[in-house]
Amino acid sequence: GAGVSQSPSNKVTEKGKDVELRCDPISGHTALYWYRQSLGQGLEFLIYFQGNSAPDKSGLPSDRFSAERTGGSVSTLTIQRTQQEDSAVYLCASSLGGRLDTQYFGPGTRLTVL
Amino acid sequence: EDQVTQSPEALRLQEGESSSLNCSYTVSGLRGLFWYRQDPGKGPEFLFTLYSAGEEKEKERLKATLTKKESFLHITAPKPEDSATYLCAVQPIGTASKLTFGTGTRLQVTL
Repeated sequence: GAGVSQSPSNKVTEKGKDVELRCDPISGHTALYWYRQSLGQGLEFLIYFQGNSAPDKSGLPSDRFSAERTGGSVSTLTIQRTQQEDSAVYLCASSLGGRLDTQYFGPGTRLTVL
Repeated sequence: EDQVTQSPEALRLQEGESSSLNCSYTVSGLRGLFWYRQDPGKGPEFLFTLYSAGEEKEKERLKATLTKKESFLHITAPKPEDSATYLCAVQPIGTASKLTFGTGTRLQVTL
């Protein structure tokens, strides 16, 4: 079946511009996660959505970062006033949402801020 | 604070030369430990989940084991197609499912 999809695959933007990254989770998965992978760093948790519950935003690095999930499916991660340190690969994952569940990752969006 | 340390950072093996990758972790309580494989330019691909000390799981040439402080990913008779970065992650109890990742081991298998 179809896996997690993300768009765009690559995004180049200028410092100070806003960007939106999209994630389509696996059909039927109620949990959705965003992570960031910078060069030489491990994956860093950003935000987690589970069903209709309030999202866990504890990993967002600043108030320039926000995310929403519409209709319990598609999610958009927005970065306002981008900075060069925001350059990274942004990965989305989804899972069934159980207590001991497995997260399945999308291919990522490579963001480059010039 | 939860921590995951993977070693070595990079490993070069000849085809058929077996070895092990290490993942040491510090968490207040472990819900699960995950192994992923990541190829260049792609997202992590799930390999295994281990839940309790003493547990082992196998898939083709890979075998993952778990103790109370570390996990090993054993690679038996590797092939060039096993070349990838292998990531270890822990899911601590009470963290609403988010994973804490190590920085990975970059494995290269040559002919």
